Amino acid sequence: EAGVVQSPRYKIIEKKQPVAFWCNPISGHNTLYWYLQNLGQGPELLIRYENEEAVDDSQLPKDRFSAERLKGVDSTLKIQPAELGDSAVYLCASSAHSGGSRTGELFFGEGSRLTVL
Amino acid sequence: RKEVEQDPGPFNVPEGATVAFNCTYSNSASQSFFWYRQDCRKEPKLLMSVYSSGNEDGRFTAQLNRASQYISLLIRDSKLSDSATYLCAVAPPGQNFVFGPGTRLSVLP
Repeated sequence: EAGVVQSPRYKIIEKKQPVAFWCNPISGHNTLYWYLQNLGQGPELLIRYENEEAVDDSQLPKDRFSAERLKGVDSTLKIQPAELGDSAVYLCASSAHSGGSRTGELFFGEGSRLTVL
Repeated sequence: RKEVEQDPGPFNVPEGATVAFNCTYSNSASQSFFWYRQDCRKEPKLLMSVYSSGNEDGRFTAQLNRASQYISLLIRDSKLSDSATYLCAVAPPGQNFVFGPGTRLSVLP
């Protein structure tokens, strides 16, 4: 079974340019996450989707970041305009919906490494 | 205080050593706990879940201490291939996982 697929793997852009990342989650996984990971740090949540609905976007810098998950499957994360400090790895993860008190494990994609010059 | 904290590391240990990592969390309502392993320039991959009664998977043992709000990971008989960064992840019911900053392990020949 295919895992979480992300593209592009690497992207180098100049500041003020736009950039977009794409994610295809594991088939059947309702929950999709975008995380940002800086060097030497753990992943930090940007946005979480339950199907098409963004249920938590409180950590998404909405002045320049946007995301969508049309049809509740694939998702895109966009940055416009990019700043130097946006250089990081952008990880997409998905999980199956789990009832009860436990949150299901996350499966990560390989990430999109962004360098802003 | 950060939501999830881990031993700062790095841990440099010889092959065959036993090494333990700790992870503390601040939200007492947390119910889901995992250890992830992340190799250099790769994505995090699930190593093991952490259950209330503690659980073991081969050379790896995970423990949960709710009273003190920490989880631990013990690796016995370390192998060179265990070298990686170990991330703990904690989530209250129905809420998002919060990851610790990770602890880097280097197993030396």
